[in-house]
Amino acid sequence: EIVLTQSPGTLSLSPGERATLSCRASQSVSSNFLAWYQQKPGQAPSLLIFDTSNRVTGIPDRFSGSGSGTDFTLTISRLEPEDFALYYCQQSGSSPTFGQGTKLEIK
Amino acid sequence: EVQLLESGGGLVQPGGSLRLSCAASGFTFSSYAMSWVRQAPGKGLEWVSTVSSSGHSTYYADSVKGRFTISRDRSKNTLYLQMNSLRVEDTAIYYCAKETVLLFVLDYWGQGTLVTVSS
Repeated sequence: EIVLTQSPGTLSLSPGERATLSCRASQSVSSNFLAWYQQKPGQAPSLLIFDTSNRVTGIPDRFSGSGSGTDFTLTISRLEPEDFALYYCQQSGSSPTFGQGTKLEIK
Repeated sequence: EVQLLESGGGLVQPGGSLRLSCAASGFTFSSYAMSWVRQAPGKGLEWVSTVSSSGHSTYYADSVKGRFTISRDRSKNTLYLQMNSLRVEDTAIYYCAKETVLLFVLDYWGQGTLVTVSS
């Protein structure tokens, strides 16, 4: 099983700032099958990015994904108030797993 | 509009059984794989199971293998999760999710149904 470790656990930033969320895998993620989800309180998760860097239709371009192998990053270039939420990475290899999440909170 | 509506959650004793359902609409149900993902209270996401679009292939997390069975009914556009030998640690919100054309990538989620396993 591939274990995904997200850091930091909590990120405190202000609107307008840049957010960098990390996801590290215990072994190489096949074909860079790495996705990012956003979850707001009381809601189901929603897909933001798949295959490391492909944004879902309708997701603002301030969200971007990068990385390869075992190190992946979700970057939010300029935080909007609605971006403060929980973020999970997920590898979609043969037995999918999620990271433990990063909470992005308002400073 | 894609809609996924879970039902069947509730309180069950350890060792008991429960069947979850997920009614799907707004897309061609038979064309997409479907999954269940759970979230224990205050915890992160855990993939549980996936069934292929045809229903012929199924996948399970080790934590539920041999106890849970995923299935789908094309005529009813409904996904199921039969859960047997339930344990306290199975307590969670269970989400039904539609996959994209990419296996295990989940683009639409239901609002979830709560399963509580407790004596």
